[in-house]
Amino acid sequence: EVQLVESGGGLVQPGRSLRLSCAASGFTFDDYAMHWVRQAPGKGLEWVSGISWNSGSIGYADSVKGRFTISRDNAKNSLYLQMNSLRAEDTALYYCANLKLGYWGQGTLVTVSS
Amino acid sequence: SYELTQPPSVSVSPGQTARITCSADALPKQYAYWYQQKPGQAPVLVIYKDSERPSGIPERFSGSSSGTTVTLTISGVQAEDEADYYCQSADSSGTLVVFGGGTKLTVL
Repeated sequence: EVQLVESGGGLVQPGRSLRLSCAASGFTFDDYAMHWVRQAPGKGLEWVSGISWNSGSIGYADSVKGRFTISRDNAKNSLYLQMNSLRAEDTALYYCANLKLGYWGQGTLVTVSS
Repeated sequence: SYELTQPPSVSVSPGQTARITCSADALPKQYAYWYQQKPGQAPVLVIYKDSERPSGIPERFSGSSSGTTVTLTISGVQAEDEADYYCQSADSSGTLVVFGGGTKLTVL
């Protein structure tokens, strides 16, 4: 059974940092690119960042470029998102996803508020 | 930046055919993927590579592509199909992923 389990979300003040993690199982993790996708309350899906299977190719949405860093550890079947200089508009449910196979986690909620 | 445009809403009666379009603003276009999302749930892939259907997805879901527009068609719509639908693709490099704004399908 495929599982993507996100963790690390929570309430954080503007300007602070947070690190999200995603534990993957049930598929060959190091064969695929992985992505973070977020959804603000009542809004649509927004792609945040993606990383190729070997970390050789990385992309970011303009809205997070320079503030967020994606990484992965294939030995641990894990994906990460380091989020710095958080803003109120980063408040969202953050999903870890394998977009090629259509696998999504249940998301972890990040709330940025003072 | 690369953008995908969807109609905000589509309404159909049960048993009718729903068509949801997704237009890219430029060529070339990578494959398109379609997701269904119901309230409080994670998205579910219903079409991949423009027209392929994952196992477990009902045959009434189909996809097609023409030029810079892809279309999700739901034939014989059922009440359970009421949901938000999102198209997704990538830019020509395949590095930057983009989602359409989403279409709310209402089954009257």
